[in-house]
Amino acid sequence: GAGVSQSPSNKVTEKGKDVELRCDPISGHTALYWYRQSLGQGLEFLIYFQGNSAPDKSGLPSDRFSAERTGGSVSTLTIQRTQQEDSAVYLCASSNGQGAYEQYFGPGTRLTVT
Amino acid sequence: GNSVTQMEGPVTLSEEAFLTINCTYTATGYPSLFWYVQYPGEGLQLLLKATKADDKGSNKGFEATYRKETTSFHLEKGSVQVSDSAVYFCALGGQGAQKLVFGQGTRLTINP
Repeated sequence: GAGVSQSPSNKVTEKGKDVELRCDPISGHTALYWYRQSLGQGLEFLIYFQGNSAPDKSGLPSDRFSAERTGGSVSTLTIQRTQQEDSAVYLCASSNGQGAYEQYFGPGTRLTVT
Repeated sequence: GNSVTQMEGPVTLSEEAFLTINCTYTATGYPSLFWYVQYPGEGLQLLLKATKADDKGSNKGFEATYRKETTSFHLEKGSVQVSDSAVYFCALGGQGAQKLVFGQGTRLTINP
């Protein structure tokens, strides 16, 4: 079956512009996660959605970052007024919310802020 | 809070050598433990998992045992291949479908 998909695969933007990153989780997975992978910080949790519960936003680095999940499926991560330190690979993962809750990752979106 | 500490890399071995990548953790409760692998140019893939103390996860010749007494989850393989060259991440998941906390990753290079 289809895995987690993310778009775009690469995004280059100018400092100060807004960007939107999209994630399509595995069909039927109730939990969706966003992480960021950067050279200096490793893999960092950003935000987590589980069903209809309020999202866990505890990992968002600033109020420039936001995310939504529509209809319990597709999610969009928005970064406003991008800064150079936002350059990273943004990873989306989903899980079925059962058992060991292992997460399945998408290929990521590489964001470069110039 | 929860944390994961991995063996510093990079690690370079010859083909057929024995591999150990150390991973220790700090957590409250009874977390699940995972090893993820990232091959060059690819995304993160789940390699193996263990959900309770003394469980052994295994896949593709790799093994790791959940040791609660030493808070460890070391990754081992008896005979590595060039195709095992990748970055390996140890990760901890809290109870319930919560975020993963990752170690810093260990880059492994296997020479023929």
